[in-house]
Amino acid sequence: ETGVTQTPRHLVMGMTNKKSLKCEQHLGHNAMYWYKQSAKKPLELMFVYNFKEQTENNSVPSRFSPECPNSSHLFLHLHTLQPEDSALYLCASSQDPQRANTGELFFGEGSRLTVL
Amino acid sequence: DQQVKQNSPSLSVQEGRISILNCDYTNSMFDYFLWYKKYPAEGPTFLISISSIKDKNEDGRFTVFLNKSAKHLSLHIVPSQPGDSAVYFCAASSNFGNEKLTFGTGTRLTIIP
Repeated sequence: ETGVTQTPRHLVMGMTNKKSLKCEQHLGHNAMYWYKQSAKKPLELMFVYNFKEQTENNSVPSRFSPECPNSSHLFLHLHTLQPEDSALYLCASSQDPQRANTGELFFGEGSRLTVL
Repeated sequence: DQQVKQNSPSLSVQEGRISILNCDYTNSMFDYFLWYKKYPAEGPTFLISISSIKDKNEDGRFTVFLNKSAKHLSLHIVPSQPGDSAVYFCAASSNFGNEKLTFGTGTRLTIIP
């Protein structure tokens, strides 16, 4: 496999469920990101990890809990979500955060989340 | 308050004609601008960028124009091809890439054969 892969591609969960989204990058990058894409809204940066350390949390509610065990893997743990959290969640990676801001940001295919 | 605005949610263009996608921004500190392209069921991919020291950048069929005084940029695709049908996102950063990207809401381009 190459690039950035995300699983699952689709997820339906109830408000009381606990689930996780997984992201893996095979590009040898050091930085990983979670973005949220809601209908008719801009792509929103949620979290940034650089060398496994969280460097940015963009005021994300605590019902979203990221985990980065190493530079190749990123998880987003979900619990007690709300229907308005339904969205496409995109993982991305870059060699470093600055290169991400100048075009070298590589996205996965996304995980489509529906909260009932 | 959206700092990067793509006011046209959708655009349809005949194959072979020019497609023009527009983007406006409000933050005068933005100095680096990018366009991303997204096909259904795929993640966005980088298409073309421009620095504020330029007013035009060309890459094959794709040209980005920047009008700093109007805080406006546009992406021109000519000639348009069916494979160009996708959602196009405009994005901007400041401090020449040292600040995080701010994205627009996207424009869905449909090329009519």
